[in-house]
Amino acid sequence: DVKVTQSSRYLVKRTGEKVFLECVQDMDHENMFWYRQDPGLGLRLIYFSYDVKMKEKGDIPEGYSVSREKKERFSLILESASTNQTSMYLCASSTPEGGRGRAFFGQGTRLTVV
Amino acid sequence: AQTVTQSQPEMSVQEAETVTLSCTYDTSESDYYLFWYKQPPSRQMILVIRQEAYKQQNATENRFSVNFQKAAKSFSLKISDSQLGDAAMYFCAYGKRYGGATNKLIFGTGTLLAVQP
Repeated sequence: DVKVTQSSRYLVKRTGEKVFLECVQDMDHENMFWYRQDPGLGLRLIYFSYDVKMKEKGDIPEGYSVSREKKERFSLILESASTNQTSMYLCASSTPEGGRGRAFFGQGTRLTVV
Repeated sequence: AQTVTQSQPEMSVQEAETVTLSCTYDTSESDYYLFWYKQPPSRQMILVIRQEAYKQQNATENRFSVNFQKAAKSFSLKISDSQLGDAAMYFCAYGKRYGGATNKLIFGTGTLLAVQP
């Protein structure tokens, strides 16, 4: 069965800390995505990657960076965590053609910044 | 830029009845996918149904069907014979068909569906 795994389900960090959210997929997908989910705002795209070391900004990239050194792993980095980054973070992967665009999601990480 | 709009923040339906969730989108592309995803309280996103823009026929998956109006850029989801397990947040999403730097997957703000027994 296909799998997207996020490193933590719940995370509590302090303001100013550098935070790493890790995501691993086992489907050899080209595309990987990081979304932020907030009530009433839906899923907002932070960054996505369409190949190793290739990345594109989404709609809300400010305060975040990403790393994709290997095809299966896509990391989201909060350089200096702030309370307004408290949210649910969802990772997803997809392949444009073979999977007919379908995205597979991780279980989500609920991050609280105190 | 592509956008996806869901104008119904919340909907309610009686068990065994039919409900329709609305979605509109904006794009200048001609070849793309549209999706409905379901997110139950467990938070795991589940694909409900997918539509390829080049197909005129509306997609159907058991009790779930779509009304795809390409010219109007409308993509509604119909749930027939609603069940208690259908209660969830539903997201409409858009994705381009081909890969590369512009292959974003864009979501709407979601519709929270309640199913009344």
